[in-house]
Amino acid sequence: AQTVTQSQPEMSVQEAETVTLSCTYDTSESDYYLFWYKQPPSRQMILVIRQEAYKQQNATENRFSVNFQKAAKSFSLKISDSQLGDAAMYFCAYRSYSGGGADGLTFGKGTHLIIQP
Amino acid sequence: NAGVTQTPKFQVLKTGQSMTLQCAQDMNHNSMYWYRQDPGMGLRLIYYSASEGTTDKGEVPNGYNVSRLNKREFSLRLESAAPSQTSVYFCASSEWGVSRNQPQHFGDGTRLSIL
Repeated sequence: AQTVTQSQPEMSVQEAETVTLSCTYDTSESDYYLFWYKQPPSRQMILVIRQEAYKQQNATENRFSVNFQKAAKSFSLKISDSQLGDAAMYFCAYRSYSGGGADGLTFGKGTHLIIQP
Repeated sequence: NAGVTQTPKFQVLKTGQSMTLQCAQDMNHNSMYWYRQDPGMGLRLIYYSASEGTTDKGEVPNGYNVSRLNKREFSLRLESAAPSQTSVYFCASSEWGVSRNQPQHFGDGTRLSIL
């Protein structure tokens, strides 16, 4: 079974600065997908960014980018120019390639991101 | 743009009572999922349904049953609620197969308290 570890329960950053959230995972598979989800106090789960393991290029979405290190099984999220609206819980998630991805996500325990004005 | 709709949003039960959480999606997705979220934990998969007519256990299925009523609806039933089932429950759906990196779309969650 796969496991996802987020080693930072809480992170704090000044508005407009850059912050990096860490995620490592354990798997014996060679093909898989990785995701970062954001959960604000409203409790919604919002997709931030996704990465296919077979792609070497790191995914980017506006101010959000990842550093995907497949050999190290590391998938960190970088948020540039942090904004107050970025304050939330951030979850790293793993999705198996086998089964077509129908069998659900494995989540880390989350990192609570605080933005200091 | 309803997406994934869960009902109810909040519920309080007494130990031993039964309840069904409802979930419906309007995105024509094949796969649907039920997760629970406990304090200090990420979401954990309870059950999933890869397609209409099929269901499979996830990581924490004990004490729950599910029904994939049709392609749109996937319900979660607690037959005899226990305090350990106090949690926030999320339903999700996704497409799979052709484009396997499709993300899961989540409902807004149901906060369930069992006294």
